[in-house]
Amino acid sequence: QKEVEQDPGPLSVPEGAIVSLNCTYSNSAFQYFMWYRQYSRKGPELLMYTYSSGNKEDGRFTAQVDKSSKYISLFIRDSQPSDSATYLCAMSPNTDKLIFGTGTRLQVFP
Amino acid sequence: DAGVIQSPRHEVTEMGQEVTLRCKPISGHDYLFWYRQTMMRGLELLIYFNNNVPIDDSGMPEDRFSAKMPNASFSTLKIQPSEPRDSAVYFCASSLGLAGGETQYFGPGTRLLVL
Repeated sequence: QKEVEQDPGPLSVPEGAIVSLNCTYSNSAFQYFMWYRQYSRKGPELLMYTYSSGNKEDGRFTAQVDKSSKYISLFIRDSQPSDSATYLCAMSPNTDKLIFGTGTRLQVFP
Repeated sequence: DAGVIQSPRHEVTEMGQEVTLRCKPISGHDYLFWYRQTMMRGLELLIYFNNNVPIDDSGMPEDRFSAKMPNASFSTLKIQPSEPRDSAVYFCASSLGLAGGETQYFGPGTRLLVL
């Protein structure tokens, strides 16, 4: 079993929809949770970062962490075609390397 | 800053040939990471350096893979001999630190195809 599991998709939604992307993990030591966005033929770039449990909001994006369930989510409100990309979750215990999910490919069509 | 620079962007080679991938991290970053990305396995960490010293190479798949960082502004990942299963996108990333939440900045990647 992988330490971090992520549904690869693809997920196809119409413009304006609310998107929910999720990851589950098995290592209870993970404290830092990130979402990276990767456009086609580009490197990943950090989108959001959350420490421990709770929610974090940044514009149309909300990151949620539920440590009791070992489950993290990224919500995208009012999705736009420009949000079409692969979204990778990543996590680490503290001062250690990041463990990435395999990524979920999202397509938002006009 | 120009960001993390990788070369070449694309590489096509034949099985058995030596392949060398190059990376220039962001100036001032103390950590450098080499990742491999495939559809099946996602983004896998191969090795990372701190202040030019290899810290964790547990992700290096075989002895055919080697990585060096002779100075703070240059690193190489070498595959010798290359095999078709090495075909993937190889990313280099750098960061200021390794503390949780520290952002890793990725280069554009090198697409490697081994025939």
